[in-house]
Amino acid sequence: DTGVSQDPRHKITKRGQNVTFRCDPISEHNRLYWYRQTLGQGPEFLTYFQNEAQLEKSRLLSDRFSAERPKGSFSTLEIQRTEQGDSAMYLCASSLVHQVARTQETQYFGPGTRLLVL
Amino acid sequence: AQKVTQAQTEISVVEKEDVTLDCVYETRDTTYYLFWYKQPPSGELVFLIRRNSFDEQNEISGRYSWNFQKSTSSFNFTITASQVVDSAVYFCALSEALYNFNKFYFGSGTKLNVKP
Repeated sequence: DTGVSQDPRHKITKRGQNVTFRCDPISEHNRLYWYRQTLGQGPEFLTYFQNEAQLEKSRLLSDRFSAERPKGSFSTLEIQRTEQGDSAMYLCASSLVHQVARTQETQYFGPGTRLLVL
Repeated sequence: AQKVTQAQTEISVVEKEDVTLDCVYETRDTTYYLFWYKQPPSGELVFLIRRNSFDEQNEISGRYSWNFQKSTSSFNFTITASQVVDSAVYFCALSEALYNFNKFYFGSGTKLNVKP
């Protein structure tokens, strides 16, 4: 049983360029989350999906950010026109919500994508 | 307002010492979950424990133990006989919705250094 995977693990880009990150959740997990973590801080929520539907977006997610989960499996997070302030670790997590039992399982995190914008 | 406060930014201990990491949370909800995660230098957050607001029993798992006290809104984590491999950043997190939306609020983390 594989965990959450993210690709790439590291990304260095120049300011103004577009970048895209991919997250593959644990299979059968119906929820997928994106977080951002800056140095010395805890992860901050960006957005989450229930299957393919994006149900919530944080104010941290500016118009330059877009996330998709087209088939309810993997997800992509794109940052357009990157800025130096976008430099951070981008974490993906997944969980399984039991629709009938109405319980929330634990979120399991991937290794993250570390972005550096020069 | 900070929902989860981890006042200890960094702690250094010598191997085999016991260490307690503090976590204080704030919520108006009566139903919520609390979590602890470990983040080693590799960066991946590793799940350690989940506790719901209706279960105040303390829990022990090997060298790890957790003390949940609703009266003081605290969920502290103790490592007994610490080891060098315990060196990491530890995060406490709060989730306020049991089902509809499980948004995690993380503390700023406590960096634990265990020296040989």
